[in-house]
Amino acid sequence: KQEVTQIPAALSVPEGENLVLNCSFTDSAIYNLQWFRQDPGKGLTSLLLIQSSQREQTSGRLNASLDKSSGRSTLYIAASQPGDSATYLCAADSWGKFQFGAGTQVVVTP
Amino acid sequence: SQTIHQWPATLVQPVGSPLSLECTVEGTSNPNLYWYRQAAGRGLQLLFYSVGIGQISSEVPQNLSASSPQDRQFILSSKKLLLSDSGFYLCACNRGRNTEAFFGQGTRLTVV
Repeated sequence: KQEVTQIPAALSVPEGENLVLNCSFTDSAIYNLQWFRQDPGKGLTSLLLIQSSQREQTSGRLNASLDKSSGRSTLYIAASQPGDSATYLCAADSWGKFQFGAGTQVVVTP
Repeated sequence: SQTIHQWPATLVQPVGSPLSLECTVEGTSNPNLYWYRQAAGRGLQLLFYSVGIGQISSEVPQNLSASSPQDRQFILSSKKLLLSDSGFYLCACNRGRNTEAFFGQGTRLTVV
């Protein structure tokens, strides 16, 4: 059974610093890995999707890497802003079912 | 991209009452559909998924059920709610294997 872990559980940084969020998964047989953002009381917003054949994906200030062999993905957010404050979730697509980590709660202070 | 509509946004129901949460998808046909539950302080738990017309699989045995009466519609139901059914319910979809997943805005269910 696929298990997904996210470290750290919470992170607080001053505005302007780069964010590094980690995600690990136990079964490397994944179709893809997706990163989401969740604001309090809201649904999930898709940020980046990395196919299993890819090593990284970029969108604006966001960059996500994937190392299937080691079962790891990292989300980098450059030059953080207070608006980046949210919970970030990663999900591994194993056989068409998304298994989620518990998330990293990020606070960016002005 | 797909758009998912979920309603209601919040719901307070007494123990033993029935439940019906609805989810509809715009922007694609024959999507894969998913119901997740997010309990306070915990990750998302996959409850049901529908891959293909009329095929619904359950991940966790419980007093909930799911149905897809027509294309792009997914309904989560219960005949008698339990206190433990409280949580944040999220509907999701994607266009098929290995495609991006999209989520609705969720329903906050409180069973009292």
